[in-house]
Amino acid sequence: KNQVEQSPQSLIILEGKNCTLQCNYTVSPFSNLRWYKQDTGRGPVSLTIMTFSENTKSNGRYTATLDADTKQSSLHITASQLSDSASYICVVTDSWGKLQFGAGTQVVVTP
Amino acid sequence: GAVVSQHPSRVICKSGTSVKIECRSLDFQATTMFWYRQFPKQSLMLMATSNEGSKATYEQGVEKDKFLINHASLTLSTLTVTSAHPEDSSFYICSARRTSGGGGEQFFGPGTRLTVL
Repeated sequence: KNQVEQSPQSLIILEGKNCTLQCNYTVSPFSNLRWYKQDTGRGPVSLTIMTFSENTKSNGRYTATLDADTKQSSLHITASQLSDSASYICVVTDSWGKLQFGAGTQVVVTP
Repeated sequence: GAVVSQHPSRVICKSGTSVKIECRSLDFQATTMFWYRQFPKQSLMLMATSNEGSKATYEQGVEKDKFLINHASLTLSTLTVTSAHPEDSSFYICSARRTSGGGGEQFFGPGTRLTVL
């Protein structure tokens, strides 16, 4: 069973609207959680990183939250743009440095 | 900083041939490099971990004789897919990390699309 579960699997939003992606994990012991953006045919690019003590982290229009108690994270995209169309991957690193990848949420922003 | 490149970005080959993919850390020394493969609409699957100067550690189910990994320098790792078959067609992504153990961010390359005819 995957230790990192993401939802929804995909979503379509109108340009300018906001959306929130979810990530639940069971990885233990926990080191950090990153959200990556992966454009089609490209490698993942890190958006945010959060450690155990951090609850929220922003990067421009992207805001990530982390609840280490419930092992949940979210990525909020504000005022979406066409260029936000991509797969967003939640990656949790354990204390030994091993990465556990979520399956990703495919976001499509339409005009 | 922390740029990782891959070459080629796309390759098409005939079944039975071998293909080499290069992964380079352009502005830092990568003690550890990782190779992943990704099927459509799926996430990255770790194939192997390589530390400079030593043999790669392969994940369960990955054939080491089929996917040859060499990490001869601190800035270059290569993945050779030997006797490629159509089922090897996939998106191969490498990543590089400065440190050899524990934490430390992995920086991902842009990926290589392999198509085996």
